Amino acid sequence: QVQLVQSGGEVKKPGASVKVSCKASGYTFSSYGISWVRQAPGQGLEWMGWISTYNGKTSYAQKLQGRVTMTTDTSTSTAYLEVRSLRSDDTAVYYCARTGVLSGFDWGQGTLVIVSS
Amino acid sequence: QTVVTQEPSFSVSPGGTVTLTCGLSSGSVSTSYYPSWYQQTPGQAPRTLIYNTTTRSSGVPDRFSGSILGNKAALTITGARADDESDYYCVLYMGSAIWVFGGRTKLTVL
Repeated sequence: QVQLVQSGGEVKKPGASVKVSCKASGYTFSSYGISWVRQAPGQGLEWMGWISTYNGKTSYAQKLQGRVTMTTDTSTSTAYLEVRSLRSDDTAVYYCARTGVLSGFDWGQGTLVIVSS
Repeated sequence: QTVVTQEPSFSVSPGGTVTLTCGLSSGSVSTSYYPSWYQQTPGQAPRTLIYNTTTRSSGVPDRFSGSILGNKAALTITGARADDESDYYCVLYMGSAIWVFGGRTKLTVL
């Protein structure tokens, strides 16, 4: 079965960077892209961007352009999200999700990132 | 900036039927947006209910169904149960590898 296992929670200071990982199993990694979605406390889900696991092409939400980078390591079936210049409003649970236009989203368990001085 | 609209809240009686909708701030939702629906309870990751407009995800009971109603995508829940009380999100594909989430509907069963 499809499984996406994310790295553990992080606490970071404002201005720092964080890198979250997402290890996929149970399917052919390069057959589906990976989206990253975040959820601030008490708020809704926000799509952050998508990466093709086939060729590394990315698509980012406009508001996050320049502060986020999504990458993959096909040798380990792992996707990564890096967020730079962290602010307090980046405090959120970050989800990775296997993504297909026809198949929707299949979710990881989430990673809590807290940004606090 | 395209906004995906959902009812902020909805209430249904146990055993009743409710239809949640997913629209666009400008334009109509069609199957070309490949709408999908997700259920989330507090502290949990979202659970996929419906993808590609009408396809139920594995293990999702047939009480949940997806459709296009007029100019919106719709999620219909029949025979509502107490454990259907959750937040519900729709997602639309905008093309060019861009997806947009709706603002969620908080469903109360009482």
